[in-house]
Amino acid sequence: EDQVTQSPEALRLQEGESSSLNCSYTVSGLRGLFWYRQDPGKGPEFLFTLYSAGEEKEKERLKATLTKKESFLHITAPKPEDSATYLCAVHLTGNQFYFGTGTSLTVIP
Amino acid sequence: GAVVSQHPSWVICKSGTSVKIECRSLDFQATTMFWYRQFPKQSLMLMATSNEGSKATYEQGVEKDKFLINHASLTLSTLTVTSAHPEDSSFYICSARSSYEQYFGPGTRLTVT
Repeated sequence: EDQVTQSPEALRLQEGESSSLNCSYTVSGLRGLFWYRQDPGKGPEFLFTLYSAGEEKEKERLKATLTKKESFLHITAPKPEDSATYLCAVHLTGNQFYFGTGTSLTVIP
Repeated sequence: GAVVSQHPSWVICKSGTSVKIECRSLDFQATTMFWYRQFPKQSLMLMATSNEGSKATYEQGVEKDKFLINHASLTLSTLTVTSAHPEDSSFYICSARSSYEQYFGPGTRLTVT
């Protein structure tokens, strides 16, 4: 059964305290893995797409990496405005699209 | 990145009435659009996949006659919640596929009283 699991469910960081969010997956036929940021009451905002193991992408304080079993979203020196829920999703060869349950990140000033 | 809009952003309706939500891709054509539902502090649940010019494909457990989806053009899909009841109250989000990436609208908060 295809599965996407994100951990931790919630994470509280002090401003400037770097950390990583995990998205592990057990799927057949991965076409791509997506990371999104979602603020309360808003739709998800696209961050990254990763297509193959070993791939890395960066955007400001965020860096996403991918292995054959999981993806990490690294947050370097986070700021309060980085507080949000971060969602990962997998796109499969059968054209299915599954979301993880998200990690709620709170950055404390 | 590509922009997807939804209208309205929030709506309150009485039980038994129908509500239509529009989803538009503003700067690209989307042959495929998706409708999601999200409950508080939960992840997105795919309701249906909408293909331009053809019938929508609904996920298991989603009532086709209750959630009517129309994808009349490459930039517009609509979701109509028919005979709404309080349990239909939720956050509805659409997304549109541009080549490979999937972009989301801002969501519509539906409250049925």
